[in-house]
Amino acid sequence: GNSVTQMEGPVTLSEEAFLTINCTYTATGYPSLFWYVQYPGEGLQLLLKATKADDKGSNKGFEATYRKETTSFHLEKGSVQVSDSAVYFCALRRQGAQKLVFGQGTRLTINP
Amino acid sequence: DTAVSQTPKYLVTQMGNDKSIKCEQNLGHDTMYWYKQDSKKFLKIMFSYNNKELIINETVPNRFSPKSPDKAHLNLHINSLELGDSAVYFCASSPLPTGGGDIQYFGAGTRLSVL
Repeated sequence: GNSVTQMEGPVTLSEEAFLTINCTYTATGYPSLFWYVQYPGEGLQLLLKATKADDKGSNKGFEATYRKETTSFHLEKGSVQVSDSAVYFCALRRQGAQKLVFGQGTRLTINP
Repeated sequence: DTAVSQTPKYLVTQMGNDKSIKCEQNLGHDTMYWYKQDSKKFLKIMFSYNNKELIINETVPNRFSPKSPDKAHLNLHINSLELGDSAVYFCASSPLPTGGGDIQYFGAGTRLSVL
């Protein structure tokens, strides 16, 4: 079946550190891949997405590249800020399907 | 103006009770969803409605019954609540039922605690 695995949290970093949150997936065909972010007390928001192999999604300084060969979609940011503290969810949607399949979420805390 | 709003935000209740969670979206979307997030933070879809019609029904106990009075509302009614129903429930909506890059918009969640 389709599944998404994220690195275990929580992750704690200092401001301006480099961030990587790993995400790998299992799916047939060519799913679309997403990163959603949940800030404290709010719902999930789409952070970025990629719909085909080698696509790079980017937003707010975050980037993730769709790697078909390694079935990965790792989230990166060069210099994190305190305001990036949130829970990050990797997700996929199989071609033609409606539902999103989520990873378990990674809680990120950035200290000043 | 909140795009997808759920009420209540917190719900604490006894085992065996019946409760409802309401969801409304003002985005004009045709499709709405309910997700459950368990204690390990896994988010799993429960139901999806497109224009008031049920299109996804995952393996969910029939104690859970979604109701969509119109395409802007998708309420979740739960009968005979059990301890294992304790979770955070998220409502979401999207413009279309299918599409590779289609974005889903989420509410802030309802934390249900069954005692």
